Amino acid sequence: DQQVKQNSPSLSVQEGRISILNCDYTNSMFDYFLWYKKYPAEGPTFLISISSIKDKNEDGRFTVFLNKSAKHLSLHIVPSQPGDSAVYFCAASYSGNTPLVFGKGTRLSVIA
Amino acid sequence: DGGITQSPKYLFRKEGQNVTLSCEQNLNHDAMYWYRQDPGQGLRLIYYSQIVNDFQKGDIAEGYSVSREKKESFPLTVTSAQKNPTAFYLCASHARTALKAEAFFGQGTRLTVV
Repeated sequence: DQQVKQNSPSLSVQEGRISILNCDYTNSMFDYFLWYKKYPAEGPTFLISISSIKDKNEDGRFTVFLNKSAKHLSLHIVPSQPGDSAVYFCAASYSGNTPLVFGKGTRLSVIA
Repeated sequence: DGGITQSPKYLFRKEGQNVTLSCEQNLNHDAMYWYRQDPGQGLRLIYYSQIVNDFQKGDIAEGYSVSREKKESFPLTVTSAQKNPTAFYLCASHARTALKAEAFFGQGTRLTVV
């Protein structure tokens, strides 16, 4: 059973507009969430994270929102750029060094 | 420069051969992981190690083996028992504190069975 779900396999957005990538989780024990960006044939690169004690974290064009009651988080990219085109993975963490649990990813295409 | 180094980037294996993928980190992270990526499958956990000399099976450990003799190193062996080894393999290291989690990945190894 998937504990972390990214229900949209793909998303297309016009350059300059907002991209919103969504992630749902089922396990209330998760207390830290991370977003990664991945290009083909490369390792994922860390983008932004959020602790469960917060509901928002912002870093430049990237903002992550966490709604604990809904077990939902989202990544907003504003403005979207063609270089943002990649697969985005949501990951969740328990306390301690238990493995990150990943969603299946959402492929974002930013169209010029 | 801190980070994770995977080698080789590309690896070809003949049927019936064992091959070992290297993963080294200088981030001083206790935990290290191996994931496999197949098209449409996301990242699936093969093995993980939370501390030196200890490791645990992940979701798809069959046909793989690991060792963790040093904090910096977590090699993965793909054995001949792995029926479908062609995939993209990713190594990661991870550290948690009470307030923060960080995890970084290597650049991956593409393994192809020929």
